[in-house]
Amino acid sequence: QVQLVQSGAEVKRPGASVKVSCKASGYSFTSYSMHWVRQAPGHGLEWMGIINPRGGTTSYAQKIQGRVTMTRDTSTSTVYMELSSLRSEDTAVYYCARDHPSGNYYMDVWGKGTTVTVSS
Amino acid sequence: QSALTQPASVSGSPGQSITISCTGASSDVGSYNVVSWYQQHPGKAPKLMIYEVSKRPSGVSNRFSGSKSGNTASLTISGLQAEDEADYHCSSYAGSSTLVFGGGTKLTVL
Repeated sequence: QVQLVQSGAEVKRPGASVKVSCKASGYSFTSYSMHWVRQAPGHGLEWMGIINPRGGTTSYAQKIQGRVTMTRDTSTSTVYMELSSLRSEDTAVYYCARDHPSGNYYMDVWGKGTTVTVSS
Repeated sequence: QSALTQPASVSGSPGQSITISCTGASSDVGSYNVVSWYQQHPGKAPKLMIYEVSKRPSGVSNRFSGSKSGNTASLTISGLQAEDEADYHCSSYAGSSTLVFGGGTKLTVL
């Protein structure tokens, strides 16, 4: 079945970087773009960006542009999201979510989420 | 990229209907029929309920429906059930390969 398996929880110091992985299975990895979405405690969802695994092209939210990098490894069907210069406000659950093949920016399959805590 | 505006909370009794609004701008909701709605139970990942304004994925109850007028999209849930109690999030394509979410609405079934 279609599955997105994310890496485990992380605790980071302010100023550090974190890299979260999302391994896809059950479908053709390069046929679907992947979104990253985060949710701070008690808050709504925030779109971070999208990567097309076929060519590696990306688009990022303006708010985090310059601090976020999304990459992929087609040999392992895995996408990565790296966020640098971490601040306490980056404490959140980070989700990867598959884009529908129509390319219409809606997410039909979600990972279970990775908790990232930024604390000194 | 300002967040879409949703009411913080709505409530209804079992069997009733409720509507959640999602207000954006002419640059997002008003320009694209790419509005989606997600249901999220506590501690769980979101689940797609409505896409492209009014379409339901396979397996989603027909009690859920979506619509759009101008810069405002709406999600209506009819015949409220206890299991509908959850947070609901709207999203819209915002141009230039970007997406924007609303702040989320907590639905309480009384």
